[in-house]
Amino acid sequence: DQQVKQNSPSLSVQEGRISILNCDYTNSMFDYFLWYKKYPAEGPTFLISISSIKDKNEDGRFTVFLNKSAKHLSLHIVPSQPGDSAVYFCAASGYNNNDMRFGAGTRLTVKP
Amino acid sequence: NAGVTQTPKFRILKIGQSMTLQCTQDMNHNYMYWYRQDPGMGLKLIYYSVGAGITDKGEVPNGYNVSRSTTEDFPLRLELAAPSQTSVYFCASRLDSISYEQYFGPGTRLTVT
Repeated sequence: DQQVKQNSPSLSVQEGRISILNCDYTNSMFDYFLWYKKYPAEGPTFLISISSIKDKNEDGRFTVFLNKSAKHLSLHIVPSQPGDSAVYFCAASGYNNNDMRFGAGTRLTVKP
Repeated sequence: NAGVTQTPKFRILKIGQSMTLQCTQDMNHNYMYWYRQDPGMGLKLIYYSVGAGITDKGEVPNGYNVSRSTTEDFPLRLELAAPSQTSVYFCASRLDSISYEQYFGPGTRLTVT
């Protein structure tokens, strides 16, 4: 039962352009959403998050948008840099945050 | 701060063998987690702990056991290894019930043949 889905296994963009990574969820009880970034042979690292009471959160080049009615969130990276090349995981959590569900990840490649 | 450390980095087990994956955090976090990641899949929660002496099952606990005798350590035990347990295992921690961000270790790649 995959409650968090990232339907694009990979994405390739040119340096300086926008990267848009998408995530869909099915459980309406999720109230907090996070994006993690993962380099090879390392653990995931937290990137940005958003509460269900908001529809947008920005942190530098990274912006997360949440559309609760569509059960959809997206991560925008502007401008994209080669160092952003990694696997990005979307995660969602209910109120107690002890059962976080992860998507399968999207591999982003930013070409110089 | 070393953050979350995991040992070993790699391990090959024969079917039926047992082993313990070690996880230690030096951030004084109350909450700790064990996940597994299979190829092409997201991370799935195996067990978690909300403090020393308290553990609970996650989404995929079968075949595993945990203990939490100290705040720092949260070992994961495989008693009878099976090929289905071939995966990458990640340990994570978070500070308290209010924070959402989890900090992950580098992972242990386990192969059972």
